[in-house]
Amino acid sequence: DAKTTQPPSMDCAEGRAANLPCNHSTISGNEYVYWYRQIHSQGPQYIIHGLKNNETNEMASLIITEDRKSSTLILPHATLRDTAVYYCIVRVFNDYKLSFGAGTTVTVRA
Amino acid sequence: DADVTQTPRNRITKTGKRIMLECSQTKGHDRMYWYRQDPGLGLQLIYYSFDVKDINKGEISDGYSVSRQAQAKFSLSLESAIPNQTALYFCATTGSSYNSPLHFGNGTRLTVT
Repeated sequence: DAKTTQPPSMDCAEGRAANLPCNHSTISGNEYVYWYRQIHSQGPQYIIHGLKNNETNEMASLIITEDRKSSTLILPHATLRDTAVYYCIVRVFNDYKLSFGAGTTVTVRA
Repeated sequence: DADVTQTPRNRITKTGKRIMLECSQTKGHDRMYWYRQDPGLGLQLIYYSFDVKDINKGEISDGYSVSRQAQAKFSLSLESAIPNQTALYFCATTGSSYNSPLHFGNGTRLTVT
């Protein structure tokens, strides 16, 4: 499975878009990019996933580069409740045999 | 009701004691997982199971064992707890379709003194 690289932390102003980068340069053709977040010490929550096309749902948008070596999660209008640790992982669709990395700690400031 | 329920939510135990953490899910999924999280770190996979008769070790299985009693139940045991097993433990489940995300329980906070 491909590994991912994320910045350890980032700040975002409330109401602004938050753009979270993720590098996955060794991703295989059948591996999906998934994003999860963990608020405080709760169980991680699924956000979005994609293979090669950009995806959007009610929570966020996922932009995957054409070569699939990196992606960006976009929270369009960050709120204080979006403060969390965000994990980017790559998998053969829903096969979670490997661990999650340390993720990006996102702090949304008023 | 939660889709994935973990019990207990918190547990304090002493070194050398046997302890079991339980997980049940109402999603009807075959795949279940146990993860461990240490402060400031990501989630490490302990064990996983793709169906009732299938049990597999994850990256940090030493000192742990599991039991898949039914499709909906997946228990994690510490046969002889040690202080460095103090952590937050998460159970999760996912279906077999490509669109199926991972659903987590709210965790068990375990302290071994």
